[in-house]
Amino acid sequence: QKEVEQNSGPLSVPEGAIASLNCTYSDRGSQSFFWYRQYSGKSPELIMSIYSNGDKEDGRFTAQLNKASQYVSLLIRDSQPSDSATYLCAVAGDLNDYKLSFGAGTTVTVRA
Amino acid sequence: NAGVTQTPKFRILKIGQSMTLQCAQDMNHNYMYWYRQDPGMGLKLIYYSVGAGITDKGEVPNGYNVSRSTTEDFPLRLELAAPSQTSVYFCASRDSQVTYEQYFGPGTRLTVT
Repeated sequence: QKEVEQNSGPLSVPEGAIASLNCTYSDRGSQSFFWYRQYSGKSPELIMSIYSNGDKEDGRFTAQLNKASQYVSLLIRDSQPSDSATYLCAVAGDLNDYKLSFGAGTTVTVRA
Repeated sequence: NAGVTQTPKFRILKIGQSMTLQCAQDMNHNYMYWYRQDPGMGLKLIYYSVGAGITDKGEVPNGYNVSRSTTEDFPLRLELAAPSQTSVYFCASRDSQVTYEQYFGPGTRLTVT
């Protein structure tokens, strides 16, 4: 079972600031990394996936991966109140790895 | 497409009762999953299936059973409900040939008292 650890929250940031979320994983063979956003009382939705070392940007979101350090992060730039949610880090092997391992999540609150 | 649907949305069970949580998807996905999520915790995998007739245990299978007779449906059975099974249950599906993305249903909130 892959272990996935996320920085404990909650994380409170002012509107317009950068929110930084961190995630470490135990299985060095992990190949695929995901960030899911979950609003209170709702189901998770995929917002970012990253497979190679470095940065991947999508709008205001940037995922960063460092496989040597077994570390993946998510930056939310220009944070908006609508970004207030719990963010789950998930890890898998290659496409034949059926299962995702999830972290416990970091709750982000954006203050207006 | 309705995506992934789950019924019921809410349920209260007494200790020792049994019930089936229903999950259906209309995306022709081969892979389907059942997770539970306890307050402040991530998702724990209960069971998964890679196709009709094929199921396997996840991280926390005790107290649950599943079946997969069709591609569309993946019901989760709780036998002899216990307070420890109070949780939110999510069903998910994935197109195994294309992407890792798992599509989640809206969840079932179950309370066992």
